[in-house]
Amino acid sequence: DAGVTQSPTHLIKTRGQQVTLRCSPKSGHDTVSWYQQALGQGPQFIFQYYEEEERQRGNFPDRFSGHQFPNYSSELNVNALLLGDSALYLCASSPGQARYGYTFGSGTRLTVV
Amino acid sequence: AQKITQTQPGMFVQEKEAVTLDCTYDTSDPSYGLFWYKQPSSGEMIFLIYQGSYDQQNATEGRYSLNFQKARKSANLVISASQLGDSAMYFCAMINLISNFGNEKLTFGTGTRLTIIP
Repeated sequence: DAGVTQSPTHLIKTRGQQVTLRCSPKSGHDTVSWYQQALGQGPQFIFQYYEEEERQRGNFPDRFSGHQFPNYSSELNVNALLLGDSALYLCASSPGQARYGYTFGSGTRLTVV
Repeated sequence: AQKITQTQPGMFVQEKEAVTLDCTYDTSDPSYGLFWYKQPSSGEMIFLIYQGSYDQQNATEGRYSLNFQKARKSANLVISASQLGDSAMYFCAMINLISNFGNEKLTFGTGTRLTIIP
């Protein structure tokens, strides 16, 4: 049973560019959440998608946007990259009504230079 | 607002000894859940153990147990008989169980880096 799959695993971008990160949830999971983990910090909630709509959002600027597709996979887009956007981006999936069935992927390591 | 505090940035423990990782939390929500996750260098967050605020007994999962003291707002993780493979970052996290959505965001602490010494 495949868990959460994220791509790419590593990425280097230049300041001002745009980036798209991808996530395939665990089989049977329909909710996808994205987290940003800066070096030496705990993950911070970016937003959550359910039924192709953004259901919750953390304290992140509008440069961070997302999408969920009918097959429940999701994308995280970041525009106008800043050096401070360098972080590990984690995707977590969960069943619709299970409050603690979160499964995380291995993340995408984004470096902005 | 919810807050998780982990005051131990790093710990060194001899192999086969027990270790306690501290976690205190702050919330005004009457119903909440507490998690511990392990993050090895690969980056993936691995679920270890869960405790609901209304659970009567402390949670246990194999070598992991959660020492839940509600009045003190603490949820310490105890790892018995530590192994070299336990070396990793450990995060305490919290979730609000009362919501209109069914799935709420996780609020994480800053983590503790555990190193097991042979």
